Amino acid sequence: DVKVTQSSRYLVKRTGEKVFLECVQDMDHENMFWYRQDPGLGLRLIYFSYDVKMKEKGDIPEGYSVSREKKERFSLILESASTNQTSMYLCASSLRLLSNQPQHFGDGTRLSIL
Amino acid sequence: QQQVKQSPQSLIVQKGGISIINCAYENTAFDYFPWYQQFPGKGPALLIAIRPDVSEKKEGRFTISFNKSAKQFSLHIMDSQPGDSATYFCAASWGDKIIFGKGTRLHILP
Repeated sequence: DVKVTQSSRYLVKRTGEKVFLECVQDMDHENMFWYRQDPGLGLRLIYFSYDVKMKEKGDIPEGYSVSREKKERFSLILESASTNQTSMYLCASSLRLLSNQPQHFGDGTRLSIL
Repeated sequence: QQQVKQSPQSLIVQKGGISIINCAYENTAFDYFPWYQQFPGKGPALLIAIRPDVSEKKEGRFTISFNKSAKQFSLHIMDSQPGDSATYFCAASWGDKIIFGKGTRLHILP
């Protein structure tokens, strides 16, 4: 089974801090994704990566950046955290960038910005 | 045009009943329609999926019905059980794009 591991389940940070969310997958998947999940808004794509050092903006990239230095690891960075970035963050991976490839999700990081 | 509209937002069903969640889309380029199930404290997981050349797909108690002309698809959960209580997301994808519905919180009464 594919395992996508997010380093923290809960995280509390302060406004203005630089925040790193880490994600690791163990199945040699090409693609990795970062989503944000908010009640009533569903899953919104922040960034995705289809290869090492490659990244593409999703629907809501403002205020975020990403890093993929190794195939198995994908990091989400909040450059200067703000209270409106309090949310559940989900990382996912898929084997290839094709429509019929399922995404495998981690269990999420619940981030609170005070 | 890239939205996937999901309804209802929440649903309460008696144990043994049929749960039905509906989704509608606009973009005819979508060629894969998965459903994801998410339990509290967990990430979403693929439940069942369908391609638009098929009108129905069944896996156990879970069935997707697909109406290409109406651009609608739905998830039916037969003999709903308390263990089915979760949030369900429909999605539509093509190429490297996937669009999720906003989710339905399903609660099955014991």
